[in-house]
Amino acid sequence: AQTVTQSQPEMSVQEAETVTLSCTYDTSESNYYLFWYKQPPSRQMILVIRQEAYKQQNATENRFSVNFQKAAKSFSLKISDSQLGDTAMYFCAFMKLDAGGTSYGKLTFGQGTILTVHP
Amino acid sequence: DTAVSQTPKYLVTQMGNDKSIKCEQNLGHDTMYWYKQDSKKFLKIMFSYNNKELIINETVPNRFSPKSPDKAHLNLHINSLELGDSAVYFCASSPNARTGLDNEQFFGPGTRLTVL
Repeated sequence: AQTVTQSQPEMSVQEAETVTLSCTYDTSESNYYLFWYKQPPSRQMILVIRQEAYKQQNATENRFSVNFQKAAKSFSLKISDSQLGDTAMYFCAFMKLDAGGTSYGKLTFGQGTILTVHP
Repeated sequence: DTAVSQTPKYLVTQMGNDKSIKCEQNLGHDTMYWYKQDSKKFLKIMFSYNNKELIINETVPNRFSPKSPDKAHLNLHINSLELGDSAVYFCASSPNARTGLDNEQFFGPGTRLTVL
């Protein structure tokens, strides 16, 4: 079974600064996806960024980027130029693919990190 | 238009009652899911249906029964509610979990269930 660990229960950052959220995972699979989801106080789960394990290049989405270290099983999220609207709980998630490339969509989530952006 | 909608958003009920939560998606997706988020915010998948076929059934008490009348709807019925069932329940959908190209799930707003 896969496990996802987020070791930082809470983080805070000043507006316009950069913050990095950590995530490690444990799997024996070689083919999988990794995700960061954001859950603001509104409770809505929003996909922030995703990474395919076979891709060496780190994914980026505007101010959000990841540092994917496959050998170390590490997948951190960097938020640049933090904004007040980034205040939320952030979840790292793992989805394995079987040999045929099918996922069945099963996401395994970490415990979450509460990020607070201060003005 | 809301992509994934759930009703009700809040549900307060007594222990022992039976209740249902409804989910509908208008994205044309084939796969739908139910997740449970407990009081510590931990999210765990419960069920998944692909084109009305059950494809994921995690270790969930059999008091929980999902029903998919068509691929746009996935309802969750809970019998004999217990205090520990209090949680936020999220519905989600994705294009087709069997394709391997399916890597984004769209979540509904959640239903906060409180069992007294």
